[in-house]
Amino acid sequence: DTGVSQDPRHKITKRGQNVTFRCDPISEHNRLYWYRQTLGQGPEFLTYFQNEAQLEKSRLLSDRFSAERPKGSFSTLEIQRTEQGDSAMYLCASSLQGQVGRGYFGPGTRLTVT
Amino acid sequence: GEDVEQSLFLSVREGDSSVINCTYTDSSSTYLYWYKQEPGAGLQLLTYIFSNMDMKQDQRLTVLLNKKDKHLSLRIADTQTGDSAIYFCAESKGAQKLVFGQGTRLTINP
Repeated sequence: DTGVSQDPRHKITKRGQNVTFRCDPISEHNRLYWYRQTLGQGPEFLTYFQNEAQLEKSRLLSDRFSAERPKGSFSTLEIQRTEQGDSAMYLCASSLQGQVGRGYFGPGTRLTVT
Repeated sequence: GEDVEQSLFLSVREGDSSVINCTYTDSSSTYLYWYKQEPGAGLQLLTYIFSNMDMKQDQRLTVLLNKKDKHLSLRIADTQTGDSAIYFCAESKGAQKLVFGQGTRLTINP
């Protein structure tokens, strides 16, 4: 296993378009997390999954955001009707249950909304 | 992360020690973490400390935890140019998520 991978690494989109990001976690990790990081800030929690169940969503995750992990393996994060304020780095991480801080982060997807 | 505060910048001379400080608010945090972020790379876990410990040493890294003051520090001995990065402290909120500070950008001067 080569770690957590994310695709695409960069995405430029026009305001109002929909975008979807993918995260492939470490295969034996049952927990998967999404964070958002804006310039000059630390990552902020968005949501997490245990296997295929989405167990918590941050208030940062507006109705335009949806995340899935259909078979408990890879996950997708979709943003509908993108806004300029959505421009950020979207980070995915995975871990074993109970080891939230000892998991691994992916390289992130940088989203630019023009 | 409004619950975790760090100074934004630190500049040290190569070979000196670097000390990065962090304060947190949640006294129930079980673990506290230090991450490193280099340009174009993901967050890398450097070290972590269990809340009932005062100190943890791992090669050039020393973590000090003052639970009474909710203060955490990371000391990097013999700082090298490869240590240039942004360092984040984080606390775990339950077992579900991490709350990060704003990050401290460490610059190494020759």
